[in-house]
Amino acid sequence: KAGVTQTPRYLIKTRGQQVTLSCSPISGHRSVSWYQQTPGQGLQFLFEYFSETQRNKGNFPGRFSGRQFSNSRSEMNVSTLELGDSALYLCASSLEFFNTEAFFGQGTRLTVV
Amino acid sequence: AQTVTQSQPEMSVQEAETVTLSCTYDTSESDYYLFWYKQPPSRQMILVIRQEAYKQQNATENRFSVNFQKAAKSFSLKISDSQLGDAAMYFCACTGTASKLTFGTGTRLQVTL
Repeated sequence: KAGVTQTPRYLIKTRGQQVTLSCSPISGHRSVSWYQQTPGQGLQFLFEYFSETQRNKGNFPGRFSGRQFSNSRSEMNVSTLELGDSALYLCASSLEFFNTEAFFGQGTRLTVV
Repeated sequence: AQTVTQSQPEMSVQEAETVTLSCTYDTSESDYYLFWYKQPPSRQMILVIRQEAYKQQNATENRFSVNFQKAAKSFSLKISDSQLGDAAMYFCACTGTASKLTFGTGTRLQVTL
């Protein structure tokens, strides 16, 4: 069974641009969560989607948004990029809404210059 | 709200020896799960072990076991017969009904010959 796939793996963007990251969960998993990992703030929860609905959102500005499609694939978008958005963005999928076991992708490393 | 604290930024263990990583947590929920994740240099988060809070028996997965002290809100990870491949960042995490994972700051484990 294929694992969680995140694309692209690496990305370099300029301040002010926007970016879209993609996550394909494990087949059959309906919940997708996004996390931001930085050396300063550690791992922080961005949002979770279940059955195309955002169920939970972390404490991030509105520039961070996401969505989930009917096939459970998810995208997150960051608009008006800032230098501080440079991070590893991790996606996790789980079977159901109640996250008893989450499987992570390899992440997308975003660098904002 | 949940908080997870890992007070050991770095630990070192000799190959074949045993090491214990500490974690304390706080949560207002009565139903929650605790996890240890491993993040090797590849940056992919790998689930090491999971503990359901309602279970008194400590979880065990091969060389990995936990010491779950619910009253003390403590959840330590013991790695027996340490191997070079165990070298990584280890994150303790907690989740409740909201399905979001709250992570600690991590412990970097070095394994020496």
